[in-house]
Amino acid sequence: GAVVSQHPSWVICKSGTSVKIECRSLDFQATTMFWYRQFPKQSLMLMATSNEGSKATYEQGVEKDKFLINHASLTLSTLTVTSAHPEDSSFYICSARLDPWSPLHFGNGTRLTVT
Amino acid sequence: EDKVVQSPLSLVVHEGDTVTLNCSYEVTNFRSLLWYKQEKKAPTFLFMLTSSGIEKKSGRLSSILDKKELFSILNITATQTGDSAVYLCAVSSGTYKYIFGTGTRLKVLA
Repeated sequence: GAVVSQHPSWVICKSGTSVKIECRSLDFQATTMFWYRQFPKQSLMLMATSNEGSKATYEQGVEKDKFLINHASLTLSTLTVTSAHPEDSSFYICSARLDPWSPLHFGNGTRLTVT
Repeated sequence: EDKVVQSPLSLVVHEGDTVTLNCSYEVTNFRSLLWYKQEKKAPTFLFMLTSSGIEKKSGRLSSILDKKELFSILNITATQTGDSAVYLCAVSSGTYKYIFGTGTRLKVLA
């Protein structure tokens, strides 16, 4: 149980375009989902916390207009990287949990390369 | 400031060795401590610990939490090359916050 699916697993896009990443909880309802970014050989950096039906809470330094997060249902959250630039190239990982007393479960991540 | 510190940063052992990974933390409103294994993709869940002194075990892996001294250890016995990965410790603080350590990079040589 507790499977989180993230799609796509990798994407290459041109500078200036937008990319949408989907995160789905397959066998449980996730009221809260989290979006992380990971640079090579570094730990996970929280970008934002996404609650179903409400606006995402962004961490300091994360541009909310650039990284649009939508959590429209209890099983789906999306992250859209708008007007992507090469410095946005990174590994993006989503995670979800059933409730605050349950562990986080992670999707397989999306490797974004902006050319 | 909340923080999670893992040690060692990296470790190289031979198959069959036993390893102990450490995680110490300072957080307000502690809720739980979680261990994850990360290979090439995203982290996979290993353990969640909420109570002191109760060992959690899964095969060759085990973990225990000390809430008085604010640390946890992850033990791996009879290591195999498939155990090579980055092991991440995370602490849940309050309802929404998770603080991750920088990880311990384990390499098991055949």
